[in-house]
Amino acid sequence: DAGVIQSPRHEVTEMGQEVTLRCKPISGHNSLFWYRQTMMRGLELLIYFNNNVPIDDSGMPEDRFSAKMPNASFSTLKIQPSEPRDSAVYFCASSFFGQMNQPQHFGDGTRLSIL
Amino acid sequence: KQEVTQIPAALSVPEGENLVLNCSFTDSAIYNLQWFRQDPGKGLTSLLLIQSSQREQTSGRLNASLDKSSGRSTLYIAASQPGDSATYLCAVSGSSNTGKLIFGQGTTLQVKP
Repeated sequence: DAGVIQSPRHEVTEMGQEVTLRCKPISGHNSLFWYRQTMMRGLELLIYFNNNVPIDDSGMPEDRFSAKMPNASFSTLKIQPSEPRDSAVYFCASSFFGQMNQPQHFGDGTRLSIL
Repeated sequence: KQEVTQIPAALSVPEGENLVLNCSFTDSAIYNLQWFRQDPGKGLTSLLLIQSSQREQTSGRLNASLDKSSGRSTLYIAASQPGDSATYLCAVSGSSNTGKLIFGQGTTLQVKP
């Protein structure tokens, strides 16, 4: 079991640039979650997918943020244009969603710094 | 709107001590409650998951309890070790079983040798 894989681990870029974060969920999992973690706001759910379909994107802060899941093994979170206040650690998590919820498994996150 | 609160925010104890971490939530209509551990620079690791119909779950030295009616959960750590030092977060999912979790701010635990 390779776990949830996120890339890159660290990203430093200038304000206004496009940022793309990537996630590979655990094979066999059918739910995928994107979170953002900051000191001020803690861990916030941005969007989640079930069977590759976005279910709830109410946590996406602005239209600058978008997420896709083209297939069961890959998802992206894109910020365009990026702003300094987007600096945070972004986590991807996956789980098997069914009759009984299973624990979510988290990747190690992408630490994003927007200058 | 569901809110999750964890007290205390930080805790420092000597090795070997038994300790309790607290979690409270405002809406008792939950599907499950989960406790996670986060080490610095790492993602979250699931420790225990309690379904709403359950009262407690145990794994090794960890025991988590759930009192839905009062909106509370506790994580009990027996015989604490320096390796237990980490941030512990609790999270609740809504009654509609969507898998969506609302997290508390966490309790940062330091166990001194």
